[in-house]
Amino acid sequence: LAKTTQPISMDSYEGQEVNITCSHNNIATNDYITWYQQFPSQGPRFIIQGYKTKVTNEVASLFIPADRKSSTLSLPRVSLSDTAVYYCLVGEKNAGNMLTFGGGTRLMVKP
Amino acid sequence: DTGVSQDPRHKITKRGQNVTFRCDPISEHNRLYWYRQTLGQGPEFLTYFQNEAQLEKSRLLSDRFSAERPKGSFSTLEIQRTEQGDSAMYLCASSLDGGQGSPLHFGNGTRLTVT
Repeated sequence: LAKTTQPISMDSYEGQEVNITCSHNNIATNDYITWYQQFPSQGPRFIIQGYKTKVTNEVASLFIPADRKSSTLSLPRVSLSDTAVYYCLVGEKNAGNMLTFGGGTRLMVKP
Repeated sequence: DTGVSQDPRHKITKRGQNVTFRCDPISEHNRLYWYRQTLGQGPEFLTYFQNEAQLEKSRLLSDRFSAERPKGSFSTLEIQRTEQGDSAMYLCASSLDGGQGSPLHFGNGTRLTVT
């Protein structure tokens, strides 16, 4: 199973763009990169998923370089409500039994 | 709301008692997963079902734990003879397999406290 490394914590201010980078040096050919967000006392919530290059949806962008050994989750103009733990996962697409969550990145957005 | 629902949200029990949790997945999802999460850690995979078949169990799932999904819809997770180390959040997730499939959709968990 591909392992991931991401910062333990990050601080930001309202209105700023936040970029969280995840390293996954051992990513396999069939692996996708998926990011989840988790608030206290709630289950993780899917944010975005990608295989290569760039993926964008209404809440975030995911940048994946050609070698796919890392990825960056970009949150535009964060607000206080974006304070949460963000998990980067690597594994076969949507195969929940193959996903290792790790400790995640605790993002604190300050006013 | 047609998301994943879990019941109860909280459970306090004494060591040695049995507990059972229920998960109702999104109706059209054929895969159902159970995870366990302790404070400050990410969720850890326990087991999963494809329809009613339990296809994989983690080594974390001791013989005191049993999960069922009898009709391929809701699932139950039972812990027998609970221990203090079982205290955790138990998360259920569901997804749709096949084709493009879907990412995991999580419920808000059952928080178990063993005293």
